[in-house]
Amino acid sequence: KQEVTQIPAALSVPEGENLVLNCSFTDSAIYNLQWFRQDPGKGLTSLLLIQSSQREQTSGRLNASLDKSSGRSTLYIAASQPGDSATYLCAVLSLTGANNLFFGTGTRLTVIP
Amino acid sequence: DGGITQSPKYLFRKEGQNVTLSCEQNLNHDAMYWYRQDPGQGLRLIYYSQIVNDFQKGDIAEGYSVSREKKESFPLTVTSAQKNPTAFYLCASPHVTGNTIYFGEGSWLTVV
Repeated sequence: KQEVTQIPAALSVPEGENLVLNCSFTDSAIYNLQWFRQDPGKGLTSLLLIQSSQREQTSGRLNASLDKSSGRSTLYIAASQPGDSATYLCAVLSLTGANNLFFGTGTRLTVIP
Repeated sequence: DGGITQSPKYLFRKEGQNVTLSCEQNLNHDAMYWYRQDPGQGLRLIYYSQIVNDFQKGDIAEGYSVSREKKESFPLTVTSAQKNPTAFYLCASPHVTGNTIYFGEGSWLTVV
């Protein structure tokens, strides 16, 4: 069974810092990996989707990388802002299994003004 | 635009009552999932369905029931057997060939 882990569970940084969030998974047989943002009491907002054949995706100040062979993905946030404060989750869509959708437990990010 | 609609956004349940949360999608996706999220916690899988008229239990199915009579709809019933149902419930639907995972906006259920 696929297992998805996110480290750290929580992170506080001063405004303007660059930061990296980590996501690891145990089975490299995946369709894709997706990063989401969740604000308190809200649903999930898709940030970046990386297909299994891709190495990275970029959107604005966000860059997500995927190293399928090592089972790792990183979400890089440049020049962090207080508005980036949220919980960030990664999700893996596996190639096999009746249940093939797996989520990490998230990293709660706080950007301090 | 295609997406997932969850309703109601807020729901109050009296003890001993069954309540049903609606999840409707117009994405033409086969797979649909229900998750529960407690404050400050991750997502826990309740039930999932890969195709119409078929569904499987997730990690915390006790006290919940679902049906999948139509491709577009995957309602979740929180039964009186669920002793601690107060939580945030999310419906999701991935595309089978790996496009983006769609989420509904969630439903807050509170026991009063």
